[in-house]
Amino acid sequence: QKEVEQNSGPLSVPEGAIASLNCTYSDRGSQSFFWYRQYSGKSPELIMFIYSNGDKEDGRFTAQLNKASQYVSLLIRDSQPSDSATYLCAVSGGSQGNLIFGKGTKLSVKP
Amino acid sequence: DGGITQSPKYLFRKEGQNVTLSCEQNLNHDAMYWYRQDPGQGLRLIYYSQIVNDFQKGDIAEGYSVSREKKESFPLTVTSAQKNPTAFYLCASSIALTLAGAYGYTFGSGTRLTVV
Repeated sequence: QKEVEQNSGPLSVPEGAIASLNCTYSDRGSQSFFWYRQYSGKSPELIMFIYSNGDKEDGRFTAQLNKASQYVSLLIRDSQPSDSATYLCAVSGGSQGNLIFGKGTKLSVKP
Repeated sequence: DGGITQSPKYLFRKEGQNVTLSCEQNLNHDAMYWYRQDPGQGLRLIYYSQIVNDFQKGDIAEGYSVSREKKESFPLTVTSAQKNPTAFYLCASSIALTLAGAYGYTFGSGTRLTVV
């Protein structure tokens, strides 16, 4: 059974700090990695994707991938209260060609 | 604007009743998916379809049925055989099943189903 593991949190950070969200995956053959943000009661929204080892930056968000360690992370710089949400990690490689989702990490940014 | 429309936003089901959740997309995507989300459980795949008139069971298909008569539409029926249907249901699409890993999914806004 292919799995994606995330710490459920809640992760609490003060406004302006860096939030670090982590995800590990079991399938060494996975090629694509996605981060979705989900506000309470809403549907997931894609915020970052990464395919290659290393860092990928987009505004305040940085995705980091280490395939050797089967580890992907999301850094949010200058965290804002509006970043408070659950962040879902998704990995390619489901048996039906689908994405495999972690259970999500709840982030709370305190003003 | 292209997107996925799910309706209704909220749905209440009586015991023993079948209900149908609507999902329509105008993204010209071939693949469509239904997920169920329960608190603390993450997203669980119910059914998926990679092309019109074809669909496959996901991990938790029991008590659910789908159809794919049009590329744009992928309705989900929650039957009376589903004993614990209260959940948040999400419809998603991708360009193609084999490309889901390249481009990810686009999600609809979800339907919250409650048994009364």
